Amino acid sequence: KQEVTQIPAALSVPEGENLVLNCSFTDSAIYNLQWFRQDPGKGLTSLLLIQSSQREQTSGRLNASLDKSSGRSTLYIAASQPGDSATYLCAVCAGGTSYGKLTFGQGTILTVHP
Amino acid sequence: KAGVTQTPRYLIKTRGQQVTLSCSPISGHRSVSWYQQTPGQGLQFLFEYFSETQRNKGNFPGRFSGRQFSNSRSEMNVSTLELGDSALYLCASGLWASSYNEQFFGPGTRLTVL
Repeated sequence: KQEVTQIPAALSVPEGENLVLNCSFTDSAIYNLQWFRQDPGKGLTSLLLIQSSQREQTSGRLNASLDKSSGRSTLYIAASQPGDSATYLCAVCAGGTSYGKLTFGQGTILTVHP
Repeated sequence: KAGVTQTPRYLIKTRGQQVTLSCSPISGHRSVSWYQQTPGQGLQFLFEYFSETQRNKGNFPGRFSGRQFSNSRSEMNVSTLELGDSALYLCASGLWASSYNEQFFGPGTRLTVL
């Protein structure tokens, strides 16, 4: 059974700091890994998707890496801003016949203070 | 391009009642997945549909059911509601064409069971 763990559970940083969020998964047989952000009471916003054959993806100030063999992914946020405050979730899409089933971690609550 | 839409956004029901939630995927997307989000359990997979067929089902009781229509719109139904069914119900849509199946989420339906 796939299990996804995110560390830390919560993180508070001053504006401008670079930070790293961690995600680990137990079964390396995945199709892809996706990072999302969720604002309180809202749905999920897709940030980055990394296919199993890729090592990293970048979008603006965000960079996500994937090490499938060790079951780890990191989300790097450069020059953090108060608007980055949200819960960040990673999710893996396991192999098999399903492309649409995601297994989520519990999330990292990020607070960026001015 | 319109995003994933979910209706209604909020629902209040009493124990024993049943409820139907609706999800319209992004135009051109053929897969819809449903998730339940609670503070204690986080995001849990309910089921996944592609081309009107259920492809995968999570570990939920039979009171939870769903279906997908020929236009890819999906509904999920919960019968005999229990207090523990109070949650944010999220649906996601994707192309389901390959392992590059980025999932896009709707705003969710907040269900409160009294």
